[in-house]
Amino acid sequence: QVHLQESGPGLVKPSETLSLTCTVSGGSISSFCLNWIRQPPEKGLEWIGYICDSGRTNYNPSLRSRVTISVDMSESQSSLKLRSVTAADTAVYYCAKWSVQEWAFDIWGQGTMVTASS
Amino acid sequence: EIVLTQSPGTLSLSPGERATLSCRASQSVSSNYVAWYQQKPGQAPRLLIYRASSRITGIPDRFSGSGSGTHFTLTISRLEPEDFAVYYCQHYDNSPPLTFGGGTKVEI
Repeated sequence: QVHLQESGPGLVKPSETLSLTCTVSGGSISSFCLNWIRQPPEKGLEWIGYICDSGRTNYNPSLRSRVTISVDMSESQSSLKLRSVTAADTAVYYCAKWSVQEWAFDIWGQGTMVTASS
Repeated sequence: EIVLTQSPGTLSLSPGERATLSCRASQSVSSNYVAWYQQKPGQAPRLLIYRASSRITGIPDRFSGSGSGTHFTLTISRLEPEDFAVYYCQHYDNSPPLTFGGGTKVEI
């Protein structure tokens, strides 16, 4: 069973870059598309983007200019970088596995809270 | 971009009652690409229903999904105490983004 675990700083200063890592265990990161999703406090879910097949990416147009998602196969990790953060980027950030059988997110990490504040 | 609108925003019910949650799409979508998730406080969302009406293994049969075109429904036939949570619908499209509805909170 695939397991996902997010990690990274819980506090980022405005205008700086948010950097998070999702570590995959129990399966091969190359066998599925790894997505990043966020949830501001007391709000709904927002899809950020995904990476598949060792490098194919797709991003939410609203974030595309600031986001980079990458993968390190050797470490079985995906990285999320979000540049020029503001308070509006404060959220719980999740990584999630996309299932092409269900056409849905079937496995989620526990999430990590990131606060953009000076 | 397809927009998903969930209603009501909050549903106040008692254990044993039936819950009917609505998800409306701004344009017709394939039911193959509609899913429902449950989220409890402090937890990640959990996939309940995929392809609009198929239950994930282990999800109780009191949960059911239906719908087509622009209107989809999640029904909980008899609410159990552990069912009080927020529910999200989600749609996949070839064009980004993947979209979520705004959520329905089912509260006691």
